[in-house]
Amino acid sequence: AQKITQTQPGMFVQEKEAVTLDCTYDTSDPSYGLFWYKQPSSGEMIFLIYQGSYDQQNATEGRYSLNFQKARKSANLVISASQLGDSAMYFCAMREGSSNTGKLIFGQGTTLQVKP
Amino acid sequence: KAGVTQTPRYLIKTRGQQVTLSCSPISGHRSVSWYQQTPGQGLQFLFEYFSETQRNKGNFPGRFSGRQFSNSRSEMNVSTLELGDSALYLCASSLPFGGAYNEQFFGPGTRLTVL
Repeated sequence: AQKITQTQPGMFVQEKEAVTLDCTYDTSDPSYGLFWYKQPSSGEMIFLIYQGSYDQQNATEGRYSLNFQKARKSANLVISASQLGDSAMYFCAMREGSSNTGKLIFGQGTTLQVKP
Repeated sequence: KAGVTQTPRYLIKTRGQQVTLSCSPISGHRSVSWYQQTPGQGLQFLFEYFSETQRNKGNFPGRFSGRQFSNSRSEMNVSTLELGDSALYLCASSLPFGGAYNEQFFGPGTRLTVL
Protein backbone atom coordinates (compact mmCIF):
# COMPACT_ATOMS: atom_id res chain seq x y z
CA ALA A 1 0.00 0.00 0.00
CA GLN A 2 1.21 3.48 -0.73
CA LYS A 3 2.52 5.31 2.30
CA ILE A 4 4.56 8.38 3.18
CA THR A 5 6.52 8.58 6.42
CA GLN A 6 7.98 11.71 7.95
CA THR A 7 9.72 10.80 11.19
CA GLN A 8 10.61 14.28 12.41
CA PRO A 9 7.62 15.94 14.10
CA GLY A 10 9.63 19.08 14.77
CA MET A 11 12.95 20.57 13.73
CA PHE A 12 14.94 23.64 14.69
CA VAL A 13 17.52 25.34 12.49
CA GLN A 14 19.59 28.47 12.89
CA GLU A 15 18.98 31.22 10.38
CA LYS A 16 21.26 30.98 7.32
CA GLU A 17 22.06 27.32 7.96
CA ALA A 18 20.90 24.37 5.87
CA VAL A 19 18.37 21.84 7.08
CA THR A 20 17.22 18.43 5.83
CA LEU A 21 13.67 17.20 6.29
CA ASP A 22 13.28 13.44 5.97
CA CYS A 23 10.71 11.59 3.91
CA THR A 24 10.43 7.91 3.07
CA TYR A 25 7.78 6.38 0.88
CA ASP A 26 6.38 3.04 -0.09
CA THR A 27 4.72 2.12 -3.36
CA SER A 28 4.65 -0.76 -5.80
CA ASP A 29 3.92 1.50 -8.76
CA PRO A 30 7.07 2.06 -10.88
CA SER A 31 5.71 5.43 -11.95
CA TYR A 32 5.17 7.92 -9.15
CA GLY A 33 5.76 11.51 -8.24
CA LEU A 34 6.96 12.98 -5.00
CA PHE A 35 6.02 16.46 -3.87
CA TRP A 36 6.96 18.76 -1.04
CA TYR A 37 4.54 21.38 0.23
CA LYS A 38 4.97 24.16 2.77
CA GLN A 39 2.07 25.11 5.01
CA PRO A 40 2.44 28.38 6.93
CA SER A 41 0.20 29.11 9.89
CA SER A 42 -2.30 30.68 7.48
CA GLY A 43 -3.18 27.19 6.30
CA GLU A 44 -2.67 27.27 2.54
CA MET A 45 -0.44 24.63 0.98
CA ILE A 46 2.41 26.02 -1.09
CA PHE A 47 4.06 23.76 -3.67
CA LEU A 48 7.86 23.69 -3.32
CA ILE A 49 9.39 20.98 -5.45
CA TYR A 50 8.63 17.83 -7.44
CA GLN A 51 10.61 14.66 -8.22
CA GLY A 52 9.46 12.03 -10.67
CA SER A 53 10.39 8.40 -10.22
CA TYR A 54 12.12 8.30 -13.60
CA ASP A 55 14.00 11.54 -13.16
CA GLN A 56 17.73 10.93 -13.32
CA GLN A 57 18.76 14.03 -11.47
CA ASN A 58 17.72 15.44 -8.13
CA ALA A 59 15.22 18.26 -8.43
CA THR A 60 16.20 21.78 -7.41
CA GLU A 61 14.14 24.94 -7.07
CA GLY A 62 16.04 27.92 -5.76
CA ARG A 63 16.98 27.21 -2.13
CA TYR A 64 15.11 23.90 -2.20
CA SER A 65 16.59 20.66 -3.39
CA LEU A 66 15.36 17.12 -3.17
CA ASN A 67 17.78 14.36 -2.21
CA PHE A 68 16.17 11.45 -4.08
CA GLN A 69 17.49 7.98 -3.22
CA LYS A 70 15.27 5.60 -5.13
CA ALA A 71 16.73 2.36 -3.80
CA ARG A 72 16.18 3.54 -0.25
CA LYS A 73 12.79 5.00 -1.14
CA SER A 74 13.66 8.32 0.39
CA ALA A 75 13.03 11.86 -0.84
CA ASN A 76 14.50 14.27 1.65
CA LEU A 77 14.00 18.02 1.27
CA VAL A 78 17.06 20.20 1.75
CA ILE A 79 16.57 23.89 2.46
CA SER A 80 19.75 25.89 2.12
CA ALA A 81 20.39 29.22 3.83
CA SER A 82 17.30 29.07 6.04
CA GLN A 83 15.27 32.23 6.49
CA LEU A 84 12.86 33.21 9.24
CA GLY A 85 10.04 32.97 6.71
CA ASP A 86 10.79 29.27 6.26
CA SER A 87 9.21 28.56 9.65
CA ALA A 88 6.19 26.45 8.75
CA MET A 89 4.87 22.91 8.48
CA TYR A 90 6.35 20.86 5.64
CA PHE A 91 4.60 17.94 4.00
CA CYS A 92 5.94 15.24 1.74
CA ALA A 93 3.35 13.75 -0.62
CA MET A 94 3.16 11.13 -3.34
CA ARG A 95 1.01 10.37 -6.36
CA GLU A 96 1.09 7.06 -8.15
CA GLY A 97 1.29 7.52 -11.89
CA SER A 98 -0.93 4.62 -12.80
CA SER A 99 -3.78 5.78 -10.60
CA ASN A 100 -4.97 8.37 -13.14
CA THR A 101 -6.26 10.56 -10.35
CA GLY A 102 -5.08 13.68 -8.64
CA LYS A 103 -5.08 11.98 -5.26
CA LEU A 104 -2.07 12.78 -3.11
CA ILE A 105 -0.97 10.74 -0.11
CA PHE A 106 0.59 12.95 2.55
CA GLY A 107 3.00 12.29 5.36
CA GLN A 108 2.31 13.54 8.86
CA GLY A 109 4.42 16.62 8.35
CA THR A 110 7.43 18.25 9.99
CA THR A 111 7.23 21.56 11.81
CA LEU A 112 10.31 23.64 11.09
CA GLN A 113 11.29 26.57 13.27
CA VAL A 114 14.04 28.89 12.15
CA LYS A 115 15.86 30.66 14.97
CA PRO A 116 17.35 34.15 14.46
CA LYS B 1 -4.49 34.33 -12.97
CA ALA B 2 -6.68 33.94 -9.90
CA GLY B 3 -5.85 31.09 -7.55
CA VAL B 4 -8.13 28.53 -5.99
CA THR B 5 -10.76 30.17 -3.86
CA GLN B 6 -12.70 28.60 -1.04
CA THR B 7 -15.73 29.93 0.77
CA PRO B 8 -16.40 30.45 3.52
CA ARG B 9 -13.01 30.70 5.19
CA TYR B 10 -14.34 30.05 8.66
CA LEU B 11 -17.45 28.29 9.82
CA ILE B 12 -18.91 27.38 13.18
CA LYS B 13 -21.67 24.78 13.36
CA THR B 14 -23.26 22.64 16.04
CA ARG B 15 -23.51 18.86 16.15
CA GLY B 16 -26.22 17.44 13.94
CA GLN B 17 -26.25 20.33 11.50
CA GLN B 18 -25.10 20.09 7.93
CA VAL B 19 -22.62 22.27 6.09
CA THR B 20 -21.71 23.04 2.48
CA LEU B 21 -18.28 24.24 1.47
CA SER B 22 -17.46 25.73 -1.91
CA CYS B 23 -14.35 25.65 -4.06
CA SER B 24 -13.64 27.53 -7.28
CA PRO B 25 -10.65 26.10 -9.17
CA ILE B 26 -8.11 27.95 -11.23
CA SER B 27 -9.49 28.82 -14.65
CA GLY B 28 -8.93 25.91 -17.01
CA HIS B 29 -8.51 23.34 -14.25
CA ARG B 30 -11.14 20.64 -14.46
CA SER B 31 -9.99 18.38 -11.64
CA VAL B 32 -10.87 19.30 -8.06
CA SER B 33 -9.80 17.33 -5.01
CA TRP B 34 -10.81 17.76 -1.39
CA TYR B 35 -8.75 16.99 1.69
CA GLN B 36 -9.47 17.04 5.40
CA GLN B 37 -6.70 18.12 7.77
CA THR B 38 -6.87 17.43 11.49
CA PRO B 39 -4.12 17.41 14.14
CA GLY B 40 -4.72 13.73 14.86
CA GLN B 41 -5.19 12.25 11.38
CA GLY B 42 -3.18 14.71 9.33
CA LEU B 43 -4.11 15.32 5.70
CA GLN B 44 -6.57 12.82 4.32
CA PHE B 45 -8.01 12.61 0.84
CA LEU B 46 -11.78 12.96 0.67
CA PHE B 47 -12.66 12.77 -3.01
CA GLU B 48 -11.80 14.03 -6.46
CA TYR B 49 -14.07 15.31 -9.18
CA PHE B 50 -13.36 15.61 -12.86
CA SER B 51 -15.86 16.72 -15.48
CA GLU B 52 -18.69 16.59 -12.97
CA THR B 53 -17.93 12.96 -12.08
CA GLN B 54 -16.41 11.61 -8.91
CA ARG B 55 -13.17 9.97 -10.01
CA ASN B 56 -11.86 8.79 -6.67
CA LYS B 57 -13.03 8.62 -3.08
CA GLY B 58 -11.24 8.30 0.23
CA ASN B 59 -12.29 6.34 3.29
CA PHE B 60 -14.89 8.64 4.74
CA PRO B 61 -18.46 7.89 5.79
CA GLY B 62 -21.37 8.63 3.51
CA ARG B 63 -22.08 11.82 5.46
CA PHE B 64 -19.36 13.37 3.33
CA SER B 65 -20.43 14.05 -0.22
CA GLY B 66 -19.52 16.34 -3.03
CA ARG B 67 -20.35 17.44 -6.49
CA GLN B 68 -18.91 19.40 -9.34
CA PHE B 69 -20.68 21.77 -11.66
CA SER B 70 -20.21 22.31 -15.37
CA ASN B 71 -17.97 25.34 -14.69
CA SER B 72 -15.71 23.04 -12.59
CA ARG B 73 -16.68 24.68 -9.32
CA SER B 74 -17.11 22.10 -6.61
CA GLU B 75 -19.00 21.81 -3.38
CA MET B 76 -18.66 19.38 -0.54
CA ASN B 77 -21.35 18.68 1.98
CA VAL B 78 -21.17 17.16 5.41
CA SER B 79 -24.44 16.08 6.96
CA THR B 80 -25.17 15.33 10.61
CA LEU B 81 -22.01 17.01 11.82
CA GLU B 82 -19.95 15.39 14.56
CA LEU B 83 -17.35 16.98 16.83
CA GLY B 84 -14.68 15.02 14.99
CA ASP B 85 -15.52 16.79 11.75
CA SER B 86 -13.83 19.92 13.06
CA ALA B 87 -10.97 20.39 10.64
CA LEU B 88 -9.36 22.45 7.94
CA TYR B 89 -10.89 21.45 4.61
CA LEU B 90 -8.60 22.05 1.69
CA CYS B 91 -9.54 22.10 -1.94
CA ALA B 92 -7.02 21.63 -4.73
CA SER B 93 -7.35 21.98 -8.47
CA SER B 94 -5.22 20.65 -11.30
CA LEU B 95 -5.13 20.12 -15.02
CA PRO B 96 -6.73 16.84 -16.02
CA PHE B 97 -3.57 15.19 -17.28
CA GLY B 98 -2.68 11.70 -16.17
CA GLY B 99 0.66 10.52 -14.94
CA ALA B 100 2.64 11.11 -11.81
CA TYR B 101 3.30 14.79 -12.34
CA ASN B 102 0.20 16.85 -11.94
CA GLU B 103 0.78 19.74 -9.62
CA GLN B 104 -2.16 20.47 -7.43
CA PHE B 105 -2.83 24.06 -6.49
CA PHE B 106 -4.41 24.46 -3.09
CA GLY B 107 -6.88 26.98 -1.84
CA PRO B 108 -6.60 28.71 1.54
CA GLY B 109 -8.97 26.22 3.15
CA THR B 110 -12.16 26.41 5.14
CA ARG B 111 -11.76 26.00 8.87
CA LEU B 112 -14.81 24.23 10.25
CA THR B 113 -15.50 24.14 13.97
CA VAL B 114 -18.25 21.87 15.27
CA LEU B 115 -19.54 22.67 18.75
